[in-house]
Order: sequence, then C-alpha cells, then structure tokens
Amino acid sequence: AQSVTQLDSQVPVFEEAPVELRCNYSSSVSVYLFWYVQYPNQGLQLLLKYLSGSTLVKGINGFEAEFNKSQTSFHLRKPSVHISDTAEYFCAVSERTGGFKTIFGAGTRLFVKA
Amino acid sequence: NAGVTQTPKFQVLKTGQSMTLQCAQDMNHNSMYWYRQDPGMGLRLIYYSASEGTTDKGEVPNGYNVSRLNKREFSLRLESAAPSQTSVYFCASSVRPSDYGYTFGSGTRLTVV
Repeated sequence: AQSVTQLDSQVPVFEEAPVELRCNYSSSVSVYLFWYVQYPNQGLQLLLKYLSGSTLVKGINGFEAEFNKSQTSFHLRKPSVHISDTAEYFCAVSERTGGFKTIFGAGTRLFVKA
Repeated sequence: NAGVTQTPKFQVLKTGQSMTLQCAQDMNHNSMYWYRQDPGMGLRLIYYSASEGTTDKGEVPNGYNVSRLNKREFSLRLESAAPSQTSVYFCASSVRPSDYGYTFGSGTRLTVV
C-alpha cells in the first residue's frame, strides 16, 4: 500500500522569498511522483512529475522538485515566489507497475503575502 | 478548448434526492476517474473506468454509482444523497495515469442539506 504525507498544511511566505513544500511517501514498490497545483475554484493542474533519470525535475511556473530515494521524499521548491503562486499544492504517487490508482496527499496551502 | 468538462458547477440537494454528475473529455483518453475533495483529506477516488466498458470501485464508492457511456463520457450518480456526500467532486481523465498524470475538470460543488 502507498501513502503520501505533506508535512505542512499551510505555508505563508512573503513575495520574492524562496519556498519549499515538503512531501514524504511510503510504498512497497517503485513509484512515479507528481506535484499538482489547484488555484481557487479550479481543478488540479499537473505541475511536474518524476519518472526516472535526474532526481531534479523542473516544472511549470519556475517550480522544481527533488526526488530523494533514501529519504522517500519529493519536496517542491521555488527560489522566488509571486502573489500569483497562492494556491493549494498536492503531492501524488502512483505505482510503476501500472494500474489505475494514484494516491494524493492532503495538500499544502501556499499563501504569498505582499 | 480541449479538456475535461463537468456539469453542473454547483448543486444543492435535499437529503434523499438523487442526481447525476456529468463528465466529458475530448482528448481521446482511455481512462476516466471520479474523485471527491474534502478539507484536509486531499482527493479520494470514488470510481474509475480503465477503458470504455469497464468500471471499478475506488477508495470510497459507497453511495455512488457510475456509468461509462462511451469513450468520452463518464457519469457519477448519487441515488439517495446524504449530508456526508457534501463535497467538491472532480472528474479526471488520462492516457495512462501511472506515468502521464491526470487532466482534471473544474469540479462540481455539491451541498446536501
């Protein structure tokens, strides 16, 4: 069975400051990892994903995430945030063996202050 | 614009009433999904359809039924709504979800009173 833990439910940060949103996972098999973003009153959008290869993955809007297999983590980072980055961010995992179920974390609400 | 379309966007039901949430995608995706989103709980899978003609239960299927009408459309039905089904419902589709990820609709906000 898989599980995803997002370690912070809310992260307030000032505009132009760096931010890190933390995600840990557990799984008995190898996994693919994803980050999604949800802006207010909208559906989720795929931000980035880790499939294989380089452990540093770059996504849209200047976000990047680093896969750490030994720590089973997939933290999301941005060096300088904007007001428009205010949204909820979800970490998700799916099994490499295929199948049709993706497990989502509870979400982290990023609030960027002026 | 290509994507996943959900209707309605908002709905208020009385306890015991029934309704169907509609979902359609125009990306020729094989698999489709229904999730519910509740505060602090992330997204939980209700039902999914791996391909046209098949449906399977997810994590929280009780109180719901689904129909994969064709490759484009996947509907979710609440036969007798309960207050515990107050939630935001999202439909999603994917070519191959394990490594492609999902495309989500904009959601249906359902309140059961």
